[in-house]
Amino acid sequence: AQSVTQLGSHVSVSEGALVLLRCNYSSSVPPYLFWYVQYPNQGLQLLLKYTSAATLVKGINGFEAEFKKSETSFHLTKPSAHMSDAAEYFCAVSEGTGGSYIPTFGRGTSLIVHP
Amino acid sequence: DAGVTQSPTHLIKTRGQQVTLRCSPKSGHDTVSWYQQALGQGPQFIFQYYEEEERQRGNFPDRFSGHQFPNYSSELNVNALLLGDSALYLCASSLAGGRLNTEAFFGQGTRLTVV
Repeated sequence: AQSVTQLGSHVSVSEGALVLLRCNYSSSVPPYLFWYVQYPNQGLQLLLKYTSAATLVKGINGFEAEFKKSETSFHLTKPSAHMSDAAEYFCAVSEGTGGSYIPTFGRGTSLIVHP
Repeated sequence: DAGVTQSPTHLIKTRGQQVTLRCSPKSGHDTVSWYQQALGQGPQFIFQYYEEEERQRGNFPDRFSGHQFPNYSSELNVNALLLGDSALYLCASSLAGGRLNTEAFFGQGTRLTVV
């Protein structure tokens, strides 16, 4: 079975500071991993995904994530936070079981950016 | 390209009533998945429709049912509404029944409030 744990329901940073959102996963097979962003009253937008190619994945809006198998982690980072990055971020894992890639989502981390 | 469109955007229903939510997938997509996102939680998979059939289902009661039409649009029906059904309902479209690890595009959701 697959599962995701996002550490910290809220993360607060100052504008210009490093953003680090933590995600640990559990999977019985090599996983596919995703980060999505959700702005208020919006649906989810894919930031980036890991599909067993390069372990460092670059996404949109300057975000990147590194797959670390030994730590079962897929943390999301951005060198310098912008006010516009304030949103809810979801980590998701899928195993492709039964030939279908239905992702399981974490509970989300709310990123707060202070001026 | 209009992307994934959902209607209505907001809905208020009374306990015991029935509700129908609608989703039009992104142009070129043939698969529709539905998710329930309770306040402060990540999206929970309800079911997926491909080729007008329910292909996979999450842990939701039979009160939740759906349909996919020949033009790939989809409906989510919930009978005998409970207060706990209040949530944001998200529709996501993708390709090939989700068998390919292609990106799922999400709509903005329908906010259902049960009173």
